[in-house]
Amino acid sequence: VMTQNPPFLSVTPGQPTSISCKSSQSLLHSDGNNYLYWYLQKPGQPPHLLIYEVSKRFSGVSDRIGGSGSETDFTLSISRVEPEDVGVYYCMQNIHFPVTFGGGTKVEIK
Amino acid sequence: QVQLVQSEAAVRKPGSSVKVSCQASGDSLIFNKYAFSWVRQAPGQGLEWMGGIIPIRGPPKYADKFQDRVRITVDESTSTAYLDLNDLTHEDTAIYFCEGSYRPSSSQDPLDYWGQGTLLTVSS
Repeated sequence: VMTQNPPFLSVTPGQPTSISCKSSQSLLHSDGNNYLYWYLQKPGQPPHLLIYEVSKRFSGVSDRIGGSGSETDFTLSISRVEPEDVGVYYCMQNIHFPVTFGGGTKVEIK
Repeated sequence: QVQLVQSEAAVRKPGSSVKVSCQASGDSLIFNKYAFSWVRQAPGQGLEWMGGIIPIRGPPKYADKFQDRVRITVDESTSTAYLDLNDLTHEDTAIYFCEGSYRPSSSQDPLDYWGQGTLLTVSS
């Protein structure tokens, strides 16, 4: 089970924010990687990948966005929120069957 | 650049079946490399993984919740992945997404593509 908090964030532009994702099982593989991903879904669109293996930015993702954590506790951080960051953020794990997503965190701009 | 284009929205009655397609383009070897998953999203809800397949590695795997009434197949001749869902209920009303992913090597970024989504409405 993947538990995200908070479910909703209202953030002032330029301010930092973060989202927590906790897994009921360790996501640490014997190869040393944690198989934790972050996606952003903007309204009316499919999700798109932001972060893979906890902290690796997907191609084209702003360096304002970062990921951290290990085993069961993970965090997505945005250093300075911009209007383009609005949407719903999901964490996801694929080391344990079945693949599971967190419940989502909706981010809006104040 | 890979593109995944899904079939149009569908309306079905409870108890019936639906087949959603996901046609891939942009990589002639896509079914030799990519893993395909189906993820659904009920109205106003989060993402739910239904099942996936890596064609060159064997049969598909399904989430237990859908095990008895879902089938994922691929047709390499048309570069299309399919999701069959049977015994539909109102709770199956959702947007269904296909996702294709591939990691060339551990030192390279993954490739990750999503279809535009197919809205299934189950209504009597």
